[in-house]
Amino acid sequence: GAGVSQSPSNKVTEKGKDVELRCDPISGHTALYWYRQSLGQGLEFLIYFQGNSAPDKSGLPSDRFSAERTGGSVSTLTIQRTQQEDSAVYLCASAPVGHYEQYFGPGTRLTVT
Amino acid sequence: EDQVTQSPEALRLQEGESSSLNCSYTVSGLRGLFWYRQDPGKGPEFLFTLYSAGEEKEKERLKATLTKKESFLHITAPKPEDSATYLCAVQAVNDYKLSFGAGTTVTVRA
Repeated sequence: GAGVSQSPSNKVTEKGKDVELRCDPISGHTALYWYRQSLGQGLEFLIYFQGNSAPDKSGLPSDRFSAERTGGSVSTLTIQRTQQEDSAVYLCASAPVGHYEQYFGPGTRLTVT
Repeated sequence: EDQVTQSPEALRLQEGESSSLNCSYTVSGLRGLFWYRQDPGKGPEFLFTLYSAGEEKEKERLKATLTKKESFLHITAPKPEDSATYLCAVQAVNDYKLSFGAGTTVTVRA
């Protein structure tokens, strides 16, 4: 079946601009996660959605970062007033009910110039 | 805070030369330990979940084992297509996020 999809695959933006990154999870998966992978660093947790519960935002690095999940499916990660240190690959993952393994999308490579 | 340390950082193998990757972890109650494979420019691909010490999982040339402090990923008679970065992650019992190590990059030469 179809895996997690993310768009765009690459995004180049100027410092100070806002960007939106999209994630389509695997159909039927109730849990959705965002992670960030910076050059030379491991994957860093950003935010977690589970069904209709309030999201766990504990990993968001600043208030410039926000995310929403509409209709329990598609999610959008928004970064306002982008900075060069925001350059990274942003990965989305989803997981089915009752399972702990997470399935990752291909990522969006964000470059802030 | 959960900590995951992987070693070595890089591993160069000749085709057919078996080896092991190490993942040491510290977590306040382990729900699961996960192994992923990541190819350049792609997202991590799920390989295994291990839940308790003594558990083992196998898939083709890969075998993962778990103790109370570490996990090993054994690669038996590797082929060039096994070249990738292998990531280890833990999930605590009171949490749902994965805490990842920095990965081991494996290169298998023909």
